[in-house]
Amino acid sequence: AQSVAQPEDQVNVAEGNPLTVKCTYSVSGNPYLFWYVQYPNRGLQFLLKYITGDNLVKGSYGFEAEFNKSQTSFHLKKPSALVSDSALYFCAVRDMTGEFQFGAGTQVVVTP
Amino acid sequence: EADIYQTPRYLVIGTGKKITLECSQTMGHDKMYWYQQDPGMELHLIHYSYGVNSTEKGDLSSESTVSRIRTEHFPLTLESARPSHTSQYLCASSSLQGQETQYFGPGTRLLVL
Repeated sequence: AQSVAQPEDQVNVAEGNPLTVKCTYSVSGNPYLFWYVQYPNRGLQFLLKYITGDNLVKGSYGFEAEFNKSQTSFHLKKPSALVSDSALYFCAVRDMTGEFQFGAGTQVVVTP
Repeated sequence: EADIYQTPRYLVIGTGKKITLECSQTMGHDKMYWYQQDPGMELHLIHYSYGVNSTEKGDLSSESTVSRIRTEHFPLTLESARPSHTSQYLCASSSLQGQETQYFGPGTRLLVL
């Protein structure tokens, strides 16, 4: 069975600084990897996904993620964080059978 | 924005009442899901469906029930609401194809008094 780990409950960063949210995974076969963002009292919004190809995936709102097969990681990054990026971020993996597994979530706090 | 809708968005109800949370999607997705989430916490899968007349229980045991009579509609019912059911309920859908994204509705925040 697949699993996803987000090792940080919360990430604090100053506005304008680089933002990284970590995610590691375990899955049989080739992984399909996803990042979602959740603002208060809202559903999850899809940010980006890795299926195959280039290890650097670009997504919405200036976010990107780097797939690293040897480290089984899929870290989310943004070169310059905004206060409006403060939200809850979820990493997810989908295996070949189509089953999704979500991480526990990482709260990002961007201070002015 | 994904074409998946949930009603009501907020619901305050007394103990013992029967409630149905509605979820519909217009993307033609076969697979649909219900998650329970406390504020700022992880998602817990409580029900899912592969298509019409298919319903399965998720990882977290729930007293709720679901039905899938139409592809686009996946309502969740609580026969007798209790304060322990207070939470946010998120509906999602996806294609059955392996690489496809799961899309979420805006959620229903339920408060049982």
